[in-house]
Amino acid sequence: SQKIEQNSEALNIQEGKTATLTCNYTNYSPAYLQWYRQDPGRGPVFLLLIRENEKEKRKERLKVTFDTTLKQSLFHITASQPADSATYLCALDSQRGGFKTIFGAGTRLFVKA
Amino acid sequence: EPEVTQTPSHQVTQMGQEVILRCVPISNHLYFYWYRQILGQKVEFLVSFYNNEISEKSEIFDDQFSVERPDGSNFTLKIRSTKLEDSAMYFCASSMGDIAQYFGPGTRLTVL
Repeated sequence: SQKIEQNSEALNIQEGKTATLTCNYTNYSPAYLQWYRQDPGRGPVFLLLIRENEKEKRKERLKVTFDTTLKQSLFHITASQPADSATYLCALDSQRGGFKTIFGAGTRLFVKA
Repeated sequence: EPEVTQTPSHQVTQMGQEVILRCVPISNHLYFYWYRQILGQKVEFLVSFYNNEISEKSEIFDDQFSVERPDGSNFTLKIRSTKLEDSAMYFCASSMGDIAQYFGPGTRLTVL
């Protein structure tokens, strides 16, 4: 079955630096991959979607890469701010053409002022 | 900006009771979802719904669960006979398709 791995250890970085989060997946080739942000006690908030034929996607200070050979996506936040502190979730469609989304456990990011 | 709403925000029930969690998806969205998140764990897919029928469901979504879109706006999740292990946050989400899913604020279900 499909498996998504995100670094379970929290990532601590200094304000202004670039945060890089990793999502690896196995046993599957998703048509697209999504990144969400989740704050404690809140629902996930969509950030970016990248399709299998795209190498990179950007939105303001966010950048996502998708390497289908390595089965890996990297999520970058440049010029990080304390307000970026949250848990970041990677998600993929578990069946091509289907609507069952599988989420990773998330990586907790702390940005220190 | 349109958003997904969910009621109630917190539901406390006794084991064995039926609960109905309610959601109002974004009005022009076509796909609807329910997820759950047990405290400290990951978001788990329960079911997706399109064109008035279930598209996909997970192994969690057994006979105790059902979904319904009783009118043009509401989307409900019913748990027939709640168990202690059903205690979790339940999130509703909606989307236009294989793009962004917009999540509601969640209903915290506590089964005693």
